[in-house]
Amino acid sequence: SAVISQKPSRDICQRGTSLTIQCQVDSQVTMMFWYRQQPGQSLTLIATANQGSEATYESGFVIDKFPISRPNLTFSTLTVSNMSPEDSSIYLCSVEVWGRITEAFFGQGTRLTVV
Amino acid sequence: RKEVEQDPGPFNVPEGATVAFNCTYSNSASQSFFWYRQDCRKEPKLLMSVYSSGNEDGRFTAQLNRASQYISLLIRDSKLSDSATYLCVVSSYNTDKLIFGTGTRLQVFP
Repeated sequence: SAVISQKPSRDICQRGTSLTIQCQVDSQVTMMFWYRQQPGQSLTLIATANQGSEATYESGFVIDKFPISRPNLTFSTLTVSNMSPEDSSIYLCSVEVWGRITEAFFGQGTRLTVV
Repeated sequence: RKEVEQDPGPFNVPEGATVAFNCTYSNSASQSFFWYRQDCRKEPKLLMSVYSSGNEDGRFTAQLNRASQYISLLIRDSKLSDSATYLCVVSSYNTDKLIFGTGTRLQVFP
């Protein structure tokens, strides 16, 4: 299993500002995933963060808007830049643990409100 | 068409009822299938994997029909604590990405 500590758990931010979300994992993992979950919607993958290389972004998400850092195998940050009310959402980091089955573990989520 | 589709519900059922959720997926190359549970304002957690042979865990039974690209979850003898959103999740053989359905909300009442 994996335990992920994600912070902040929630924040209210002014439009035009940026927020950095942190995730710390209790074990070393190759890939970390960042998701967005808008109200009433499914989880949408923003990007995959690999240690030592640039993150891989999904269609509709760009590095300038969502820069990601992955300085080591247990830590990653996601920044939501130049925020607008449309960025209000829950942001979750995740890791996958491979065993008999592959299980995804999630951080507790960051509930972001942009005003 | 969404890659993973679920009936959003909500399903409102009394305690003790049996309830079934369905999910369809569009990518025939999908290889791994899961049901995750998400409580209100919490992160998703794995409920169970889904195999072609079926998978049963206590009151929960999951089935996969590859020919129809259809996944189901059956909950027997519903408890109040089963109230949550159930997410159908699919991944392909050659990718680590998980594709999430929008979830089906279950509310069990006394």
